[in-house]
Amino acid sequence: AQTVTQSQPEMSVQEAETVTLSCTYDTSESDYYLFWYKQPPSRQMILVIRQEAYKQQNATENRFSVNFQKAAKSFSLKISDSQLGDAAMYFCAYRSANNDMRFGAGTRLTVKP
Amino acid sequence: KAGVTQTPRYLIKTRGQQVTLSCSPISGHRSVSWYQQTPGQGLQFLFEYFSETQRNKGNFPGRFSGRQFSNSRSEMNVSTLELGDSALYLCASSLDLFSGNTIYFGEGSWLTVV
Repeated sequence: AQTVTQSQPEMSVQEAETVTLSCTYDTSESDYYLFWYKQPPSRQMILVIRQEAYKQQNATENRFSVNFQKAAKSFSLKISDSQLGDAAMYFCAYRSANNDMRFGAGTRLTVKP
Repeated sequence: KAGVTQTPRYLIKTRGQQVTLSCSPISGHRSVSWYQQTPGQGLQFLFEYFSETQRNKGNFPGRFSGRQFSNSRSEMNVSTLELGDSALYLCASSLDLFSGNTIYFGEGSWLTVV
């Protein structure tokens, strides 16, 4: 079964600085999708960024980018120029071709002013 | 365009009772999935519905069931509630069954079992 591991329960970053959240996953499949979701205190999950496994190019969305290492099964999220509004729980998620979706345990990000 | 709407937002039930949660997907979305979020187990996939048929199911007991209506609205039901069923239940919708689609989540239904 696929598993998703986020080894950092908590991370802290100074406002305007850069932070990287780690995620590794285990799968025997070659076709899948990876996502980072943000869950603020309101609890609504918001998509931050997605990556297709067949694409070698790392996805980027404004201040958010990923480092996707397929062979290493690693999918880290880099947040540049961190803002106070970035403070939230961040979940890494894996979705297989048959829609089996797994989430990591989450990383709580604190942004210090 | 309205997002995913879940009702009720908060509810308290007694052990042994049953509960029904409702989810209205984003207009035009035909796939609805449900997730349970607890501090101990994290986010776990419950099931996914498309065209009124359950397409995928997570590892949950038969007390957890769901259905989807012709307008894509979905309900999930938990029977014979246990204390451990206390959780945030999240509904999500996407256009169809394509696994690369973005999944949009609702704000969740907080269930407390006492």
